[in-house]
Amino acid sequence: EPEVTQTPSHQVTQMGQEVILRCVPISNHLYFYWYRQILGQKVEFLVSFYNNEISEKSEIFDDQFSVERPDGSNFTLKIRSTKLEDSAMYFCASSETGKNQPQHFGDGTRLSIL
Amino acid sequence: DQQVKQNSPSLSVQEGRISILNCDYTNSMFDYFLWYKKYPAEGPTFLISISSIKDKNEDGRFTVFLNKSAKHLSLHIVPSQPGDSAVYFCAASAVGNEKLTFGTGTRLTIIP
Repeated sequence: EPEVTQTPSHQVTQMGQEVILRCVPISNHLYFYWYRQILGQKVEFLVSFYNNEISEKSEIFDDQFSVERPDGSNFTLKIRSTKLEDSAMYFCASSETGKNQPQHFGDGTRLSIL
Repeated sequence: DQQVKQNSPSLSVQEGRISILNCDYTNSMFDYFLWYKKYPAEGPTFLISISSIKDKNEDGRFTVFLNKSAKHLSLHIVPSQPGDSAVYFCAASAVGNEKLTFGTGTRLTIIP
């Protein structure tokens, strides 16, 4: 069964550094998402992306964050100048046609900021 | 943000019996609801969904019931199997919106 793949599985970064989290969505999916889960908290939405632009973003997704689809397969989340509170599991998801279609999640990248 | 609530943090059920997981929501704009299962160190796995125009959707051992007037949905798993032991999340999206709002999860343990 097709799946969303994320790399790396674990990223350790010094505070203030930039980090790029990578995702390969399911190949025929058109909508892409990033979520995060801080330890002990809910999974929370960050951003949705369709047709090479952001379609929605949460208040968490400020200027520190950016997303990009640099080629036909990858979808990346860049976090500039990381802070301690950015430590979390980051999940990428994709869906075939967006609204009222299930989003399929990758296994996540655990980001640890030191 | 308490728009989606799962009030039972854990549930234990005997193998072969029915597991019932519950979820309540407060946002009347939610029109699409999903259940996900999550194992440790893995991402959420989609199980089943339901649109607000329906009150029941079934897929194999999994059935989701939606009670719009009570703003309540439930997931029934029958019969429960040991592999069903996981954390179950309900999630919802609002009209015209793809963003999923998640509950806090219920840890289901199936006792052999």
